[in-house]
Amino acid sequence: RKEVEQDPGPFNVPEGATVAFNCTYSNSASQSFFWYRQDCRKEPKLLMSVYSSGNEDGRFTAQLNRASQYISLLIRDSKLSDSATYLCVVNIRDDKIIFGKGTRLHILP
Amino acid sequence: NAGVMQNPRHLVRRRGQEARLRCSPMKGHSHVYWYRQLPEEGLKFMVYLQKENIIDESGMPKERFSAEFPKEGPSILRIQQVVRGDSAAYFCASSRDLSYEQYFGPGTRLTVT
Repeated sequence: RKEVEQDPGPFNVPEGATVAFNCTYSNSASQSFFWYRQDCRKEPKLLMSVYSSGNEDGRFTAQLNRASQYISLLIRDSKLSDSATYLCVVNIRDDKIIFGKGTRLHILP
Repeated sequence: NAGVMQNPRHLVRRRGQEARLRCSPMKGHSHVYWYRQLPEEGLKFMVYLQKENIIDESGMPKERFSAEFPKEGPSILRIQQVVRGDSAAYFCASSRDLSYEQYFGPGTRLTVT
């Protein structure tokens, strides 16, 4: 099993719809989790941290499921500007942080 | 509070030359990470440094690549005798600690001709 795994997509979703993607991780001792977004040819930008109790920021909700070892990102009322690649990041131990390969999202007008 | 700074933003080198990429972390950040991204591919971790120490270089090619983060000054990623396959975007990120969020610089786009 890969250390951090994401469905590469692309997810093609109509504007206004709700979309969710998961990211699985293999190390049960992983400590910190984050979602980043990356636009084409730009640097990744932090979207949100993922806390044990979940985290919501406007239309975005991130959750952690430790029992099944995955994190999720839910986007409600999707906008055209949400089109990007979403990267899952896991701190798997004290000296190691792993980026997933990303899930591509296309919001269709 | 300035973000992570990288320079140059674009670098063109001929095969066999050396490339030096610089990264100044955010103020208060002592952890620096370098990543490489080939066109249409994901980020690939290269190296993780703290001041004067390389913590994890498991993603660095064994030859021609080196990185440092001196006590004073920016972190440097050095590529000797560049080849066409080194053409990529090189991103630097910094964080306060490993468990904290990483903030990325705008990247250096290296083109080897």
